[in-house]
Amino acid sequence: NAGVTQTPKFRILKIGQSMTLQCTQDMNHNYMYWYRQDPGMGLKLIYYSVGAGITDKGEVPNGYNVSRSTTEDFPLRLELAAPSQTSVYFCASSWINTEAFFGQGTRLTVV
Amino acid sequence: AQSVTQPDIHITVSEGASLELRCNYSYGATPYLFWYVQSPGQGLQLLLKYFSGDTLVQGIKGFEAEFKRSQSSFNLRKPSVHWSDAAEYFCAVGSYSGAGSYQLTFGKGTKLSVIP
Repeated sequence: NAGVTQTPKFRILKIGQSMTLQCTQDMNHNYMYWYRQDPGMGLKLIYYSVGAGITDKGEVPNGYNVSRSTTEDFPLRLELAAPSQTSVYFCASSWINTEAFFGQGTRLTVV
Repeated sequence: AQSVTQPDIHITVSEGASLELRCNYSYGATPYLFWYVQSPGQGLQLLLKYFSGDTLVQGIKGFEAEFKRSQSSFNLRKPSVHWSDAAEYFCAVGSYSGAGSYQLTFGKGTKLSVIP
């Protein structure tokens, strides 16, 4: 059982570059989430999805985009990387009204 | 809007001592409550959860938490801490947004250090 898988684990980007953080889950969960974690700030919700084809903004969506073409995959896109996007990114999935299962995270540095 | 407060940023305890981590939430309806633990460089692992019923819930690794509706609290406890419990702990509330979607909102975390 893989659970939630994120790739890559680490990435260094230059300002203005773009990249996609990949997330896939094999638990057939309908809900998927992207969070960012900054020191002392907890986890902040970037985007979430309630099912294939449906996405919505969370607390801190600016500078990011998502898509959900299948139940399993929920990629996060950074179009023009900025130093403020240096963070650890976590993907998670859940059923409604249950706990979320987390991936191992992607540590992104923008220089 | 829902919110979660963890008043203690950092707690240090001696190995073998008891532990209580505080969590207060703000939500109009009955919440779904969770405690997660994060070891350095790792993802979040679920310790325990409360949905309904008995207000004292048991979790993994010897942890327990008590839901107190009157105090809007869900404090995490362990009677005897082990050095391996050193980690960061996050309280979370599952609730419904204005759009009717289910979301998890996290506190800022409490970092636990254990003195041998």
